Amino acid sequence: ETGVTQTPRHLVMGMTNKKSLKCEQHLGHNAMYWYKQSAKKPLELMFVYSLEERVENNSVPSRFSPECPNSSHLFLHLHTLQPEDSALYLCASSQGGNTGYEQYFGPGTRLTVT
Amino acid sequence: GENVEQHPSTLSVQEGDSAVIKCTYSDSASNYFPWYKQELGKRPQLIIDIRSNVGEKKDQRIAVTLNKTAKHFSLHITETQPEDSAVYFCAAKNSGYALNFGKGTSLLVTP
Repeated sequence: ETGVTQTPRHLVMGMTNKKSLKCEQHLGHNAMYWYKQSAKKPLELMFVYSLEERVENNSVPSRFSPECPNSSHLFLHLHTLQPEDSALYLCASSQGGNTGYEQYFGPGTRLTVT
Repeated sequence: GENVEQHPSTLSVQEGDSAVIKCTYSDSASNYFPWYKQELGKRPQLIIDIRSNVGEKKDQRIAVTLNKTAKHFSLHITETQPEDSAVYFCAAKNSGYALNFGKGTSLLVTP
């Protein structure tokens, strides 16, 4: 698959579980993003990585832990989540971080916390 | 921080009519304004964008206008078709990394 891919597409986890979301971009971009999309709320930026360095962290609880081992891969490690963390988690990438380049989104991971 | 307001939250039009969605932003330093379309169960996709040095941009049936003084920008879709039905998001960005999104407009085009 080309573009931005995410796995898994659906995830159900208990509050005591630990899981990870994976994102991979095949576009040669150097910036990657995690967004949270909840019903009736705007897309919320969680983290930004530019050239594998975290450059933005929007007051996200520590139960979400990002990792960017290289410019093509981005992970979101999850532990002791709360039911209100249930949402669609979208990964995106762009050619440049702080310039006006199009962000390409992945299909998302639908997360349900029970 | 930047605050983006988007109206209306839902919009229903008949096929062939025009649809207009409006957004306002608070940060006068914002200089990039994309619009994304998200169909049900799919990822958001960029449909058009505009930068602060341009007042209007058009791409076939879609146009965006920007009023920097008033800090608002609008999406115009002409000759709407059922496949235009989706949720549309506006966003604003300054020199930082974040795209600040509006809450979205659910557009329904009825045949």
